[in-house]
Amino acid sequence: GQNIDQPTEMTATEGAIVQINCTYQTSGFNGLFWYQQHAGEAPTFLSYNVLDGLEEKGRFSSVLSRSKGYSYLLLKELQMKDSASYLCVLMDSNYQLIWGAGTKLIIKP
Amino acid sequence: GAVVSQHPSWVICKSGTSVKIECRSLDFQATTMFWYRQFPKQSLMLMATSNEGSKATYEQGVEKDKFLINHASLTLSTLTVTSAHPEDSSFYICSARGGQAQETQYFGPGTRLLVL
Repeated sequence: GQNIDQPTEMTATEGAIVQINCTYQTSGFNGLFWYQQHAGEAPTFLSYNVLDGLEEKGRFSSVLSRSKGYSYLLLKELQMKDSASYLCVLMDSNYQLIWGAGTKLIIKP
Repeated sequence: GAVVSQHPSWVICKSGTSVKIECRSLDFQATTMFWYRQFPKQSLMLMATSNEGSKATYEQGVEKDKFLINHASLTLSTLTVTSAHPEDSSFYICSARGGQAQETQYFGPGTRLLVL
């Protein structure tokens, strides 16, 4: 079967760095996505990793380790607008998305 | 690039009426479109997957006769909620996959449906 595990909630300070971890188990793998979802809005694509390593986009980076079944999203220079849910999403062998429950990130001044 | 629009963004209707929601990929051809539903404070739930020109594939528990999906072109998919009831009130979100990033789903802004 497939399973995704990420923390339910995290708190960080404006200007700081935060790392949101995601572990998964799956029999088939075609990549891992990170999406951001603000309350009441649709998800926004952040990153896609299919090979081990780092993907960087501005203040956001994502890292994947397939052998460890692990990914993390790194957010730098946190801003208040980064308060949102961050969704770790697995693409299985049938190219279907398996959604994690999301990590609610709270940014404090 | 990879912009997906949805219309309407808000709809309020009476119980028993039908509501049509449009999903368009504005700057790429969407080989596959997806329809999701999300209740407050819950994860997205995939309702159906549609490929242009073919019938949609519905997830288990989703009534195909109630949620009609038409994917008539590579840029347009529609979801019609037939004979809507208050329990159908939800946030409906479409996503589209295609273009240069074949594996990535890009989401529309969502449609809030309130059935009175």
